[in-house]
Amino acid sequence: AQTVTQSQPEMSVQEAETVTLSCTYDTSESDYYLFWYKQPPSRQMILVIRQEAYKQQNATENRFSVNFQKAAKSFSLKISDSQLGDAAMYFCAYRSFRTPLVFGKGTRLSVIA
Amino acid sequence: KAGVTQTPRYLIKTRGQQVTLSCSPISGHRSVSWYQQTPGQGLQFLFEYFSETQRNKGNFPGRFSGRQFSNSRSEMNVSTLELGDSALYLCASRKGLAGADTQYFGPGTRLTVL
Repeated sequence: AQTVTQSQPEMSVQEAETVTLSCTYDTSESDYYLFWYKQPPSRQMILVIRQEAYKQQNATENRFSVNFQKAAKSFSLKISDSQLGDAAMYFCAYRSFRTPLVFGKGTRLSVIA
Repeated sequence: KAGVTQTPRYLIKTRGQQVTLSCSPISGHRSVSWYQQTPGQGLQFLFEYFSETQRNKGNFPGRFSGRQFSNSRSEMNVSTLELGDSALYLCASRKGLAGADTQYFGPGTRLTVL
């Protein structure tokens, strides 16, 4: 079964600084998709960024970018110029055609003013 | 375009009762999935529906069931509630079943079982 591991239960970052959240996954499939979701205190799960496994180029969405290492099965999220509104739980998730969305346990990110 | 909506947002029930939660997907989305979120177990997949058919099911007891209507709206039902069913229940919709289809989540229903 596919598993997703987030080894950092909590992280903190100073406002305007850069932080990287780690994620590793285990799969025997070759075609899959990886996601980072953000869940603020309001509990609404929001998509931050997605990566298709067949694409070598790392996805980028404004201040958010990923470092996708397929061979190492690693998918980290980098947040640049951190803002107070970035404070939330961040979940790494995996999905394939056969497998529904599988989430990691999450990383709680605090942003210090 | 309106997002995924879930009703009710909060619910309090007692053990042994049953509950029905509702989810309306984004317009044009035909797939609806349900997830249970608890502090201990994290986010766990319950089931996914597409075109009124259950396409995938997670590892939950038969007390948890769902259905999807012709307008893609979905309901999930939990019978004989237990204290451990207290959780945030999240619904997500996507256009279809392709791996590339991104899932968008609703705000969730917070269920408390007393």
